[in-house]
Amino acid sequence: EDQVTQSPEALRLQEGESSSLNCSYTVSGLRGLFWYRQDPGKGPEFLFTLYSAGEEKEKERLKATLTKKESFLHITAPKPEDSATYLCAVQANSGGYQKVTFGTGTKLQVIP
Amino acid sequence: ETGVTQTPRHLVMGMTNKKSLKCEQHLGHNAMYWYKQSAKKPLELMFVYNFKEQTENNSVPSRFSPECPNSSHLFLHLHTLQPEDSALYLCASSQGLAGAYYNEQFFGPGTRLTVL
Repeated sequence: EDQVTQSPEALRLQEGESSSLNCSYTVSGLRGLFWYRQDPGKGPEFLFTLYSAGEEKEKERLKATLTKKESFLHITAPKPEDSATYLCAVQANSGGYQKVTFGTGTKLQVIP
Repeated sequence: ETGVTQTPRHLVMGMTNKKSLKCEQHLGHNAMYWYKQSAKKPLELMFVYNFKEQTENNSVPSRFSPECPNSSHLFLHLHTLQPEDSALYLCASSQGLAGAYYNEQFFGPGTRLTVL
């Protein structure tokens, strides 16, 4: 069974304090790994797609990396507006179909 | 309207009621999805439509009935729900391909459903 585990469950950072969020996965036939951001009362907002180990993507203060077992979302010098829940999802082959599995998310709070 | 819209944003219903959730996407996508989001749980994929054809139904109880009249509109018909069905119901769309690839999905704001 495909599994996606995100850690930590919650993270509190001071403004400017860099850190990383982890997404570890156990799937067969990985087709892609996605990162989303979700603000309270809103739907998830797409951030990145990573397709193969060694791939990296960047957007402003965020950088996503991928290995064969996990992905990291690095946040450099975060600001209060980066506070949100960050979701990881993997897309994989499952019995001839494509399947997507989400993690439970990391709730990030950045304090001014 | 832009992106993915959902109505209503909030819904309170009794267990004997029948209601429908509506989703509309303005992105020209071909695939649409219904998800259930409960506290402390990962998003649960309920239904997938690719080019208006239902390609996935993840063992969802029959009290949830999807309808996709065209590639821009998606409905979730609800009847005789249970209190444990209370959750945030999210609609999403993506550039569906013939192989039902999910690709990056664009989500609506969700409908907060409360079943009394």
